[in-house]
Amino acid sequence: KQEVTQIPAALSVPEGENLVLNCSFTDSAIYNLQWFRQDPGKGLTSLLLIQSSQREQTSGRLNASLDKSSGRSTLYIAASQPGDSATYLCAENTGNQFYFGTGTSLTVIP
Amino acid sequence: GAVVSQHPSWVICKSGTSVKIECRSLDFQATTMFWYRQFPKQSLMLMATSNEGSKATYEQGVEKDKFLINHASLTLSTLTVTSAHPEDSSFYICSARDPWTSGDGNEQFFGPGTRLTVL
Repeated sequence: KQEVTQIPAALSVPEGENLVLNCSFTDSAIYNLQWFRQDPGKGLTSLLLIQSSQREQTSGRLNASLDKSSGRSTLYIAASQPGDSATYLCAENTGNQFYFGTGTSLTVIP
Repeated sequence: GAVVSQHPSWVICKSGTSVKIECRSLDFQATTMFWYRQFPKQSLMLMATSNEGSKATYEQGVEKDKFLINHASLTLSTLTVTSAHPEDSSFYICSARDPWTSGDGNEQFFGPGTRLTVL
């Protein structure tokens, strides 16, 4: 059974700090990996999608990397802002379905 | 980008009643839709995969007679929670796969979710 783990479960940083969120997955036959943001009581907002053939994707202050051999992905957030406070989920796509991590709850302190 | 809507956004019902949740792809045709459930402080768990015009495939541990899924058209899937009980209270999220607009056809687009509270 595929498992997706996210560390840390919660993170609190001062505004302006750069930070890294970690995601580990067990299935090396990954199709793609997607990072999402979820605000309290809300649905998912897709942030970045990395195909299995790619090493990283960038969007604004966000950069996501993928290392299939080690089963890891990271989400780098530069110059964090209070508006970045949310839960961040990674999801492994095996081609047929997604397996979600448990999320990292991020709080950016003004 | 592709947009997926859900209706209602929240619903409160009495124990024993049935509740229907709709998931629509607004600007694309979704041959496959997925239903997820999220309990408080937990991640999303896939409940079932539905393909247009065929029966849904349920994940292990999900009662197909309790969670009825219909995917009668390429833009609409419905999830009916039958004889709902308080333990069914959860956040239900659907997603849709658009094989034509995403580069590899496997990107999923998520709806905003439906909060179900069963009293």
